[in-house]
Parts: sequence; structure tokens; C-alpha cells
Amino acid sequence: EEQLVQSGAEVKKSGESLKISCKGSGYNFAKYWIGWVRQRPDKGLEWMAIIYPADSDTRYSPSFQGRVTISVDNSISTAYLRWSSLRASDSALYYCARGLLPDLWGLGTLVTVSP
Amino acid sequence: QSALTQPPSVSGSPGQSVTVSCTGTSSDVGSFNRVSWYQQPPGAAPKRIIYGVRDRPSGVPDRFSGSKSGNTASLTISGLQPEDEADYYCCSYTNTFTYVFGTGTKVTVL
Repeated sequence: EEQLVQSGAEVKKSGESLKISCKGSGYNFAKYWIGWVRQRPDKGLEWMAIIYPADSDTRYSPSFQGRVTISVDNSISTAYLRWSSLRASDSALYYCARGLLPDLWGLGTLVTVSP
Repeated sequence: QSALTQPPSVSGSPGQSVTVSCTGTSSDVGSFNRVSWYQQPPGAAPKRIIYGVRDRPSGVPDRFSGSKSGNTASLTISGLQPEDEADYYCCSYTNTFTYVFGTGTKVTVL
């Protein structure tokens, strides 16, 4: 079964760093783009960034460029999203999703950042 | 890069048809046939129901259909069912090699 399994909920303070993960299984991880989507409480979906695991080609939304870093570890079929300095406004549910127009989604990782 | 524009809400009675619009620009929807639609029930992850403007993944009922004219893509739900009540989002490729979602539409079954 194809699936994306995301890391658990995180509670952090402003200024702290954070890295969340997304492990793909049941398919050839390296051959599909994988990205991250933000959803703030009671708000819409926001496309953040995407990476092609086979060659690490990356694309960032201008809204998130410089704020987050997307990466992968092909040896364990896992994608990551990293913040070096969190803000309260980063509090949201973060989905990882496979494909340029995603066809497979994880269940989300809830990130809560206190001021 | 602004979000694509969708109506905040649409509603219809069971069996009726409803259409959700998704308006972009010549930099995204208008220039590419890489438009998808997602259904997100409350508390659940999104599910892709349309890709490539009008193609349906296997398992998606044929009452869901997609189209595009100029800078506007549309999702039509024919024969609305109670289980169709959810938030719907469009998504398009852009000329900056990135993607952008729509603002989202809540579909209510009366």
C-alpha cells in the first residue's frame, strides 16, 4: 500500500528550530516529487515547496523561500521540512504530499509555536 | 504569487448540480493545463478528485467533472450527494515553476 507517514505533533517556542519528517512507502520514493503544504487553523491550503528526490531539484513558493528548507534522505525514503527560527505564525498543520499536483497525502503534522 | 480566487461557499440540494469556479491569471491557470481539484472533508486530509483540468483518478465518481476557459477553471458536481459536503480547493502550475492553491470553497448540501 502506498502511503506517507508523517512525524508527530510538535510544541515549540518562538526562535527554536524544528525539522519534521515524512516517510514514503509502497512506491519508488526517488522517482516522485514530494512537497509540503501548510494549513493554518480554519484556513486554506498553501503550497510551500517541493523536491525531486532523485536529483534534489527543489522549488519554493516565494511566500516561503528563505523561511523553510526542504530536503530528502533517499536511503530511508524520507522527506523533511526544516525551520531554523520558528515564529508564532508558523503554527499550523503541515501536510506532505506526493507529486506535482499531489495524488497521495500524509495525515499532517501539527506544529504549535508559542510566542 | 496570489492564491487563485474561489467563491467562499456554494450550496445545493441533493440531486442538484453545483459549480465551483477557480480564477487565476495568464501566469497560471490561463497558460497551463496543469490544474487539479481537491476535496477536504472536515478533519481529514485533502483527496485529489480531478487532475489535468478534467481527468478523474480511478475511484472518483463520474458526477465530478472539471473544465477550463481562459483564466478560469471549474469543478462541477452533478447529482449532489450528502457525502459531497466538504471544502474544495483548486491548484495550478505557475510560470515560476511552482504551484498555487485556490482560496477554497465550502460546499454545503442543503
